[in-house]
Amino acid sequence: DGGITQSPKYLFRKEGQNVTLSCEQNLNHDAMYWYRQDPGQGLRLIYYSQIVNDFQKGDIAEGYSVSREKKESFPLTVTSAQKNPTAFYLCASSMGTRFYTFGSGTRLTVV
Amino acid sequence: DQQVKQNSPSLSVQEGRISILNCDYTNSMFDYFLWYKKYPAEGPTFLISISSIKDKNEDGRFTVFLNKSAKHLSLHIVPSQPGDSAVYFCAASSEPGAGSYQLTFGKGTKLSVIP
Repeated sequence: DGGITQSPKYLFRKEGQNVTLSCEQNLNHDAMYWYRQDPGQGLRLIYYSQIVNDFQKGDIAEGYSVSREKKESFPLTVTSAQKNPTAFYLCASSMGTRFYTFGSGTRLTVV
Repeated sequence: DQQVKQNSPSLSVQEGRISILNCDYTNSMFDYFLWYKKYPAEGPTFLISISSIKDKNEDGRFTVFLNKSAKHLSLHIVPSQPGDSAVYFCAASSEPGAGSYQLTFGKGTKLSVIP
């Protein structure tokens, strides 16, 4: 079954720690994305990647980093520089803007 | 500056009646529009889309209308069912080939269908 897998579903982080969220897809999509959802804010783009070894900042990239070493994988690191990291994080992939598919999300909570 | 606006944060509709969710956009370069449905703690799922060359697209109970001159689109759900209760996001993009792979999302409208 093709799809996007995000792990873990729930993640707790202590203040000052970096944490990495996993995103894997087997849809053979070229492009991958990370979004953040906050209550009443909709979805805001953090980073996106159109091809392997290339990625671009989205609207709210500060405090985050990504890598795209493989077509299937696009991990997101939430660094200690991100001042308000508690949120619901969504990974997506697409073939252009068609067939835009989302993962089931990771809920990150800073404790 | 919000380029995609969903001005109604919530909407309540009686089961069996029509639900109309609205979306406005400001960027005239947008020419492909999508609606997503989202349940709590899950990823959005694609519902229906429309290209700017059309003014209507229908899929079962779901119809999307596009008014390019008004920069407005709407999603109609007929008849509404309790399982339709979710947050609905409007999204917009320029066509592939324009160099943009990004979707711009509205803030969402929470639909509650009352049995």
